[in-house]
Amino acid sequence: EVQLVESGGGLVQPGGSLRLSCAASGFTFTSYAMNWVRQAPGKGLEWVSSISTGGGSTYYADSVKGRFTISRDNSKNTLYLQMNSLRAEDTAVYHCAKSPYGDGSLDYWGQGTLVTVSS
Amino acid sequence: EIVVTQSPGTLSLSPGERATLSCRASQSVSRSYLAWYQQKPGQTPRLLIYGASSRATGIPDRFSGSGSGTDFTLTINRLEPEDFAVYYCQQYGSSPRTFGQGTKVEIK
Repeated sequence: EVQLVESGGGLVQPGGSLRLSCAASGFTFTSYAMNWVRQAPGKGLEWVSSISTGGGSTYYADSVKGRFTISRDNSKNTLYLQMNSLRAEDTAVYHCAKSPYGDGSLDYWGQGTLVTVSS
Repeated sequence: EIVVTQSPGTLSLSPGERATLSCRASQSVSRSYLAWYQQKPGQTPRLLIYGASSRATGIPDRFSGSGSGTDFTLTINRLEPEDFAVYYCQQYGSSPRTFGQGTKVEIK
């Protein structure tokens, strides 16, 4: 059974940093691209970032480019999102999501971790 | 950036009716890399359709996707009570991989 479990969220002041983690199990992590998607309270879905199987290719939403960094440790089956220079508008539940083999859609999602940016 | 616009914002229908949801992209979506997701309150999104028209694993055949280029449609035949939810489309043919704002399908 595919499982994706996020951690690392919390309350942070504007300008601060957080690192989110996503522990993956139930599939061969090294074979699949991975993603982060966020959802602000009561709002729609926003794609944040994607990373290729080996980590050599990364992609970002314009709203986070230069502030967020996606990475993965295939030896630990873990996906990361380093978030710097956080803003109030980054407040959201952050989900990690797996892509199917050879496709960029999102077939499995974690329950998410809440990031609140507030003073 | 490809802007994805969904319509209508809300669709009020009765069980057994057909739902037709529209997703329009501001530029052509490469290789019809367009997905549809269903989200119910308090739940994570569920992949319904990928590649514009391929049903994901375990998705009932009353869900179907069509379209290419800039215009895509999700059709739900014979709405079941569990189908009332919010539906999102997402283009993933180019980065950034943008979502539409969602269509809520509610019980009339």
